[in-house]
Amino acid sequence: GDSVTQTEGPVTVSESESLIINCTYSATSIAYPNLFWYVRYPGEGLQLLLKVITAGQKGSSRGFEATYNKETTSFHLQKASVQESDSAVYYCALGRTGGNNKLTFGQGTVLSVIP
Amino acid sequence: EAAVTQSPRNKVAVTGGKVTLSCNQTNNHNNMYWYRQDTGHGLRLIHYSYGAGSTEKGDIPDGYKASRPSQENFSLILELATPSQTSVYFCASGEPGQDTQYFGPGTRLLVL
Repeated sequence: GDSVTQTEGPVTVSESESLIINCTYSATSIAYPNLFWYVRYPGEGLQLLLKVITAGQKGSSRGFEATYNKETTSFHLQKASVQESDSAVYYCALGRTGGNNKLTFGQGTVLSVIP
Repeated sequence: EAAVTQSPRNKVAVTGGKVTLSCNQTNNHNNMYWYRQDTGHGLRLIHYSYGAGSTEKGDIPDGYKASRPSQENFSLILELATPSQTSVYFCASGEPGQDTQYFGPGTRLLVL
């Protein structure tokens, strides 16, 4: 079946430092999955951070970027300069349009940004 | 204004008891989903629904039932709760043909 593996947490970074959270996927049932990053802030539900549906394309939101790399089956999340408000749990996921629109999630990465 | 709400937010249950987790959405989405999340695991799909009256099994349905009495409401039912069902449960909604899902804040369930 499909699977998603991401950086084991927790990850601790100082404010203004750069960040990368790795995500690799295996999509045995989907030739070209859609790829997502969701974020969950304390006390809130998951919310979509960014989504890319085309291999080779980059998505960006709130200073975060991720590039869909079909060759390495990766979708790493990067930010050049993190802020304390970025402290949250980040989830990489894959899905497809159509059917039940099921999403397959990675295990989540807890990010703590130290001021 | 939150479009997907869950109740209760926290629940303590006893082994063998019945637990009902409720989810309400104001997005008018046809699809709704129940996931659980455990440390070291991603969100795993328990049940989902295509609309009122519809429930479908997800990847880990054993020990759970679901009910979708209306477009807005989707419940997850644990008839005989067990300690292994201690977890955080998330409800989500989405539109057919769109794989973006919208999540509630989660329910933390502890089964003693």
